[in-house]
Amino acid sequence: QVTLKESGPVLVKPTETLTLTCTVSGFSLSNARMGVSWIRQPPGKALEWLAHIFSNDEKSYSTSLKSRLTISKDTSKSQVVLTMTNMDPVDTATYYCARARDGYTDPYYYYYMDVWGKGTTVTVSS
Amino acid sequence: SSELTQDPAVSVALGQTVRITCQGDSLRSYYASWYQQKPGQAPVLVIYGKNNRPSGIPDRFSGSSSGNTASLTITGAQAEDEADYYCNSRDSSGNRVVFGGGTKLTVL
Repeated sequence: QVTLKESGPVLVKPTETLTLTCTVSGFSLSNARMGVSWIRQPPGKALEWLAHIFSNDEKSYSTSLKSRLTISKDTSKSQVVLTMTNMDPVDTATYYCARARDGYTDPYYYYYMDVWGKGTTVTVSS
Repeated sequence: SSELTQDPAVSVALGQTVRITCQGDSLRSYYASWYQQKPGQAPVLVIYGKNNRPSGIPDRFSGSSSGNTASLTITGAQAEDEADYYCNSRDSSGNRVVFGGGTKLTVL
């Protein structure tokens, strides 16, 4: 059974750095064409993709948040870590990690997130 | 702003068919994936690839694509289908990932 679980602080202060950990089980972070994405959702708002890292170490970041995000993985620990610097109250959200899959099935490419964690709520407040 | 555009809200009568659409340039080369999210819950993948359903997703959910538009169709909508639906793909450059703004489906 594939599972992902997010962990990290519930409350951070403005200007602090947020560190979130996604611990996966049921698959390996070295599996071909598999990765982990981070997604967030402010209260009452839409999903926003933040970053992903794939087994081949491909990393990608949201254009608007690129300067503040760093994603890394520890395959031996089955963990993916996301850091976000200079936190602001607008970053208050539920943060999800999800297993990402990508590839090609004629005639198009595909990208999807097939298993999600339950999410962790982060509040930014002094 | 999102590179994938969805109608904010759609309604359907119980048992009828509804189509939720997603528009974007990346959909000319990427299949959209579709997620269902109910209040207080994590999103759930309902359609991926050409028209694939993960295990456990009812066959009343189907996906299609034409040009720059992807569609999620629910044939015979049930009360439990009332939820927010999001589409997703890589962006036009293929370097990043985007979500649509979401469609709130109401089953009347």
